[in-house]
Amino acid sequence: GDSVTQMEGPVTLSEEAFLTINCTYTATGYPSLFWYVQYPGEGLQLLLKATKADDKGSNKGFEATYRKETTSFHLEKGSVQVSDSAVYFCALRGGANSKLTFGKGITLSVRP
Amino acid sequence: DGGITQSPKYLFRKEGQNVTLSCEQNLNHDAMYWYRQDPGQGLRLIYYSQIVNDFQKGDIAEGYSVSREKKESFPLTVTSAQKNPTAFYLCASSMVAGAPDTQYFGPGTRLTVL
Repeated sequence: GDSVTQMEGPVTLSEEAFLTINCTYTATGYPSLFWYVQYPGEGLQLLLKATKADDKGSNKGFEATYRKETTSFHLEKGSVQVSDSAVYFCALRGGANSKLTFGKGITLSVRP
Repeated sequence: DGGITQSPKYLFRKEGQNVTLSCEQNLNHDAMYWYRQDPGQGLRLIYYSQIVNDFQKGDIAEGYSVSREKKESFPLTVTSAQKNPTAFYLCASSMVAGAPDTQYFGPGTRLTVL
């Protein structure tokens, strides 16, 4: 079945540091890939998505590229801010009528 | 404003009691979903509904029940049969269940069973 693997956390960075959060997946067919962010005490918000190979999703300075050859969708940001502190979830959606499959999430803390 | 509302934000219940969590959306979305979130385990799907008066079990449906009598509403009942109900519950919706469409999430309800 479909699965998503995220790197182990938590991650703590200083403000303006470079961020990479790894995400790899296993799926049949051609899934759509998503990154969601959850701020403390809130629900999830869509951060970015990519629906086909080589697509790059981007939003709020975050980017992720759909790499079919490595089955990866790593999240990157060039300069993190304290306000980026949150839990980040990688997710995939398989074919038609398929549910979202989430990774376990990773907590990012950014120090001033 | 369009969106998904969940109420209440915090809910406390005694062991053995059934409790119903509310989820309402005014996005005119066809599909709605319930997830459970536990620390370190990500989100797990409980139930989902692609159309009014129809719903399917997700990965962890035991001890839960749902109804979908109206397009905008998808309440979740946590029954006394659920062995470990204390968790954060998230409701979501999407426009068309069969398309690679984005799911939008509500703010969540934190249920604590005493």
